[in-house]
Amino acid sequence: DSGVTQTPKHLITATGQRVTLRCSPRSGDLSVYWYQQSLDQGLQFLIQYYNGEERAKGNILERFSAQQFPDLHSELNLSSLELGDSALYFCASSVGRGQNYGYTFGSGTRLTVV
Amino acid sequence: LAKTTQPISMDSYEGQEVNITCSHNNIATNDYITWYQQFPSQGPRFIIQGYKTKVTNEVASLFIPADRKSSTLSLPRVSLSDTAVYYCLVGDVNSGNTPLVFGKGTRLSVIA
Repeated sequence: DSGVTQTPKHLITATGQRVTLRCSPRSGDLSVYWYQQSLDQGLQFLIQYYNGEERAKGNILERFSAQQFPDLHSELNLSSLELGDSALYFCASSVGRGQNYGYTFGSGTRLTVV
Repeated sequence: LAKTTQPISMDSYEGQEVNITCSHNNIATNDYITWYQQFPSQGPRFIIQGYKTKVTNEVASLFIPADRKSSTLSLPRVSLSDTAVYYCLVGDVNSGNTPLVFGKGTRLSVIA
């Protein structure tokens, strides 16, 4: 157990639907990062939050949004889902705003859009 | 972030030492080198991080030459459970707005 909790572990939904993925960071970590991993694209950085504020944005689609709550857990919202959104979605957390001491990743949510 | 180049794949027999080299010619003064390991369907796991010379922990060693344009991850006496993808990343660890950007990594296959 890495200390980063992601729920649900698996999600199957239909095209056009909306889903919410949840992440609880490791205790004491203020930064949360979301990554998408599909077979053909590798690990793609989506977005970073630090202590409730958005810090960096990667290749996140407009149909996707995220937020970090006062208790530091984060949610990634995916809407108008397409088949190509099927992927593993990972959340990672770190102590500070940078890479120091490394990131701790969760076990991911596998999203299947049918 | 400095771009990195590493072999796409490597094979090794159990018990051998494996060295994975990463090139990062454009590494900046404030950049650190970090390696991650990823097993199928799991999140990447931090292995080791260094700035210069040599860093060793219970899992691996990281060798960084004086010019810092490359680095080598050394895994001693690998076992089948070391079969995974290994990522080399370079960046300013103290920057607040430069998240980790993963490349394709090196797929290591350990053979019995």
